[in-house]
Amino acid sequence: KQEVTQIPAALSVPEGENLVLNCSFTDSAIYNLQWFRQDPGKGLTSLLLIQSSQREQTSGRLNASLDKSSGRSTLYIAASQPGDSATYLCAVPDSGNTPLVFGKGTRLSVIA
Amino acid sequence: KAGVTQTPRYLIKTRGQQVTLSCSPISGHRSVSWYQQTPGQGLQFLFEYFSETQRNKGNFPGRFSGRQFSNSRSEMNVSTLELGDSALYLCASSSTGTATNEKLFFGSGTQLSVL
Repeated sequence: KQEVTQIPAALSVPEGENLVLNCSFTDSAIYNLQWFRQDPGKGLTSLLLIQSSQREQTSGRLNASLDKSSGRSTLYIAASQPGDSATYLCAVPDSGNTPLVFGKGTRLSVIA
Repeated sequence: KAGVTQTPRYLIKTRGQQVTLSCSPISGHRSVSWYQQTPGQGLQFLFEYFSETQRNKGNFPGRFSGRQFSNSRSEMNVSTLELGDSALYLCASSSTGTATNEKLFFGSGTQLSVL
């Protein structure tokens, strides 16, 4: 059964800093990996989806990488801003099809 | 294009009652999944419906049930509510629900409090 772990659970950084969030998964036979953002009490917004054949995906200041063989993904946020403060979750499909298995997230605080 | 709509936004119920939550997916999406989110357990999968058929089911008791209508709208029902059912219930939609290259789109959720 797929398990997803995110470290650290919480992170606080000053505005402007570059940062990396980590995600690891136990079963490397995945179709893709998604990174989501969740604001307090709200739903999730999909940020990036990396297909299994890809090594990375970029969207604006966000860059996500995927290393299937080691069961790891990272989300890099450049030049962080207070508006980036949220919980970031990664998720992979369980056994090739939905549902998604989620990590518990990293709660990011960017201090102005 | 309208997003995923969940109603109601907040619910307060007492133990033993039952509750029905509603989810309208993005137009054209045929897959609807439901997740329960709690601070301790994180996001846990409840079930997924595709074209009115339950395609996947998570490890939840039979008190949790759902259905999907011909217009892809979905409802989930929880009977005999327990305190531990207090959670944010999230609905997500996608076009086909397969894990290949599809993003999942979430609603804002229904915050259920059981007193």
